[in-house]
Amino acid sequence: QQQVKQSPQSLIVQKGGIPIINCAYENTAFDYFPWYQQFPGKGPALLIAIRPDVSEKKEGRFTISFNKSAKQFSLHIMDSQPGDSATYFCAAARSARQLTFGSGTQLTVLP
Amino acid sequence: DAGVIQSPRHEVTEMGQEVTLRCKPISGHNSLFWYRQTMMRGLELLIYFNNNVPIDDSGMPEDRFSAKMPNASFSTLKIQPSEPRDSAVYFCASRASGVGETQYFGPGTRLLVL
Repeated sequence: QQQVKQSPQSLIVQKGGIPIINCAYENTAFDYFPWYQQFPGKGPALLIAIRPDVSEKKEGRFTISFNKSAKQFSLHIMDSQPGDSATYFCAAARSARQLTFGSGTQLTVLP
Repeated sequence: DAGVIQSPRHEVTEMGQEVTLRCKPISGHNSLFWYRQTMMRGLELLIYFNNNVPIDDSGMPEDRFSAKMPNASFSTLKIQPSEPRDSAVYFCASRASGVGETQYFGPGTRLLVL
């Protein structure tokens, strides 16, 4: 059973655009929601994470928006750059247990 | 710190052969995870260890797969016998204790079973 649903599967934006990637979860016990970034040939790396006690978190050009009642969270990338082209995974975890990953979004930022 | 170290980085083998993948977690991390990544199934958790003890191996596809963690600094994932459908990138990740601590991924082992 897929517990974290991610969309879209792929996304193409122009440089400077604001790509948005969405995730929805089912398990209300989840209390940790990270986003990972993966470049070709590399392992995923933590980009930003949020807990359900806040509705938004910003780190540089990356923002997570969290809607607890809707059980949804999203990643926004401000002023996107070609170097942001990568695959992005959302994930969720409950009380330090293992992460459940979304299916991934392949982002391409055109110059 | 060198990060999570995996070896080999690439492995090409023939169907029926035994494959052993190796992982050295970040020093001081007490949780270790093995993942498999394919285009069709995405990133799947195979097994994870806490303090060298397997906690959840429900993601291990079948008895051909086995994983061990004999000490805090080393883990192996073995496939015997290997099959073409095992072709994937296998990642090891480690994590320090605590709620929501970041998982640090290794560079992965790209396995091709012919």
